[in-house]
Amino acid sequence: DAGVIQSPRHEVTEMGQEVTLRCKPISGHNSLFWYRQTMMRGLELLIYFNNNVPIDDSGMPEDRFSAKMPNASFSTLKIQPSEPRDSAVYFCASSLERGYTEAFFGQGTRLTVV
Amino acid sequence: GIQVEQSPPDLILQEGANSTLRCNFSDSVNNLQWFHQNPWGQLINLFYIPSGTKQNGRLSATTVATERYSLLYISSSQTTDSGVYFCAVVSNDYKLSFGAGTTVTVRA
Repeated sequence: DAGVIQSPRHEVTEMGQEVTLRCKPISGHNSLFWYRQTMMRGLELLIYFNNNVPIDDSGMPEDRFSAKMPNASFSTLKIQPSEPRDSAVYFCASSLERGYTEAFFGQGTRLTVV
Repeated sequence: GIQVEQSPPDLILQEGANSTLRCNFSDSVNNLQWFHQNPWGQLINLFYIPSGTKQNGRLSATTVATERYSLLYISSSQTTDSGVYFCAVVSNDYKLSFGAGTTVTVRA
């Protein structure tokens, strides 16, 4: 298996623009997670899905962030409008079954908002 | 939510040295994982170890769930072991929560 695939690997955008990050989980995995990593806050969970349904989005920082999982093989994280403080590395992870099985991470998307 | 504390925050080793990293957590867990984040930012799975002991080459890990801690052992360290080591746990909320990490620097 190719593992969790994220795109793009790097994104540079201007403040106010819409940004869409993409993730393809490992085939057969039922749970998908979006994380954000910054120096100040470390790795923080933004949202997770189970069987394509959003279960907990309490980590989403504000209404400018939204996430969707239209099918078992694809998820998006959208920021609209983007702000410089959104600059971070965004990771997607998937696991076979939420909570009880090993989670695997994609290579991340490094977002820079100027 | 569950609290995850890792120690030490930073570790500098001479190549060939052994070391122990610790992870304490504040509640019972269903899942515990150790990751290595390499200098390129990739999060590499090291161990999935909610309890017991596992070994993989020069690395081994032990989790004592009843006492709420886990240890990661690095033996005969190499420069390629440099990076940040994260402990992450899942409690009853199903969220994988990370510690702040231990930054390891191995010098030749």
